[in-house]
Amino acid sequence: DIQMTQSPSSLSASVGDRVTITCRASQGISNYLAWYQQRPGKVPKLLIYGASTLQSGVPSRFSGSGSGTDFTLTISSLQPEDVATYYCQRYNSAPLTFGGGTKVEIK
Amino acid sequence: EVQLLESGGGLVQPGGSLRPPPRLSCAASGFTFSDYAMSWVRQAPGKGLEWVSGISGSGGRTYYADSVKGRFTISRDNSKNTVYLQMNSLRAEDTAVYYCAKETPGAAVFDMWGLGTMVTVSS
Repeated sequence: DIQMTQSPSSLSASVGDRVTITCRASQGISNYLAWYQQRPGKVPKLLIYGASTLQSGVPSRFSGSGSGTDFTLTISSLQPEDVATYYCQRYNSAPLTFGGGTKVEIK
Repeated sequence: EVQLLESGGGLVQPGGSLRPPPRLSCAASGFTFSDYAMSWVRQAPGKGLEWVSGISGSGGRTYYADSVKGRFTISRDNSKNTVYLQMNSLRAEDTAVYYCAKETPGAAVFDMWGLGTMVTVSS
C-alpha cells in the first residue's frame, strides 16, 4: 500500500507567520491528495482536494500545491483559529490512507 | 442541512464472543443518500485518522483497510438512508471513535463527517 508521510509532526509559530506542512507519498499519486483540519475536540474538516482546490468556505489563506509524490499545505498568515492537527489523505485508489498528522500551535 | 448521525458504539469484549458484536449505524439526512459513496474512518484515542471501509452509492462495491478485512462488513440501506459497519472478532486495537463520512462525487474525499461513536474493546 502507498504510505503517506507528513512533516513536521508538530510546529509552533506566531500569529501572522507563514506555515508550511509537507506530505510525501511513497509512490506517485498524481494530484489525488486532500488536506483536512481537525481542531481540538472537533471532527475533521475538508480544506483542499485535488492537491490545490480550495473547498467552498475555506479561508483563502490556506493553499495547497504539489503533484506526484510531494505536496505542501501552506497557511499564509497563521491565525489563532488555525490551531489544529492537519492531515493529508491520498485517494487515488483503495485502501485510502492518511498521513500521520501535523499539530500546529501558536507560539 | 446535511447531517450524519452515528450510533451503536459502546464497550465490547475482545473477540465479541460473550455478547453480540456491535453494528454501527450512520443515519444520513439533507442529501440524496443513494447518490453518494460513504466511508467509515476511525481515530484511536490520541492518534491520527485511519480509513476503515467504503461503499459505493448503490452498495455494489465495497472496500476495506487491510487491518479490518475479513472482520468488518460495510453495508447500506438506501431506503433508510443508513450505512452500517458490522464489526466481528474485535481486538483491543479496534478501540477508537468511528466516524461516518460522506464522499464527494467521483472522489473518495470526505466533505461531511458525523460526530462519531466510540467503540471500546476491553475485557
